[in-house]
Amino acid sequence: GNSVTQMEGPVTLSEEAFLTINCTYTATGYPSLFWYVQYPGEGLQLLLKATKADDKGSNKGFEATYRKETTSFHLEKGSVQVSDSAVYFCALIRNSGNTPLVFGKGTRLSVIA
Amino acid sequence: NAGVTQTPKFQVLKTGQSMTLQCAQDMNHNSMYWYRQDPGMGLRLIYYSASEGTTDKGEVPNGYNVSRLNKREFSLRLESAAPSQTSVYFCASSDVTGWTDTQYFGPGTRLTVL
Repeated sequence: GNSVTQMEGPVTLSEEAFLTINCTYTATGYPSLFWYVQYPGEGLQLLLKATKADDKGSNKGFEATYRKETTSFHLEKGSVQVSDSAVYFCALIRNSGNTPLVFGKGTRLSVIA
Repeated sequence: NAGVTQTPKFQVLKTGQSMTLQCAQDMNHNSMYWYRQDPGMGLRLIYYSASEGTTDKGEVPNGYNVSRLNKREFSLRLESAAPSQTSVYFCASSDVTGWTDTQYFGPGTRLTVL
């Protein structure tokens, strides 16, 4: 079946540090891949996505590249801020419009000043 | 444009009580979803509705029922609440655009069952 595995948190970084959150997936066919972010007390919101191999999604300084050969979609940011403290979820969807997202378990990031 | 709204925001129930969580979206989306979020478990899909008039079970449907009242509204009902249903519940919606669906989430309902 389809599944997503994320690195376990929590991850604690100092402001301006480099961030990597690993995400690997198992899926049939060619899924679309997503990163969602959940700020404290809020629902999830889309951070970035990639719909085919070698695509790079980017938003708010975050990037992730769809690597089919390693079935990965690692999230990176060059310089984190305190405001990036949140829970990050990797997710995939099969290439069919009527199927739901499959989420990873989430990685909590805390950035300290 | 409010996006996805959920009511109530917080609820405390006693074991055996029933309640309905309400969800509405104003984006004219076709698909709607109910998830629960538990510590260390990520989000797990309870039920979803791919289009008005259809509903399907997700990963953890036991103890829940849903109603897609119309295109805008999708409710989740707990007929006899149990402590294991203590969780944060999220509703989401998406517009079916092939295989690049983006889901939009509501702010959540925090439910405690005593």
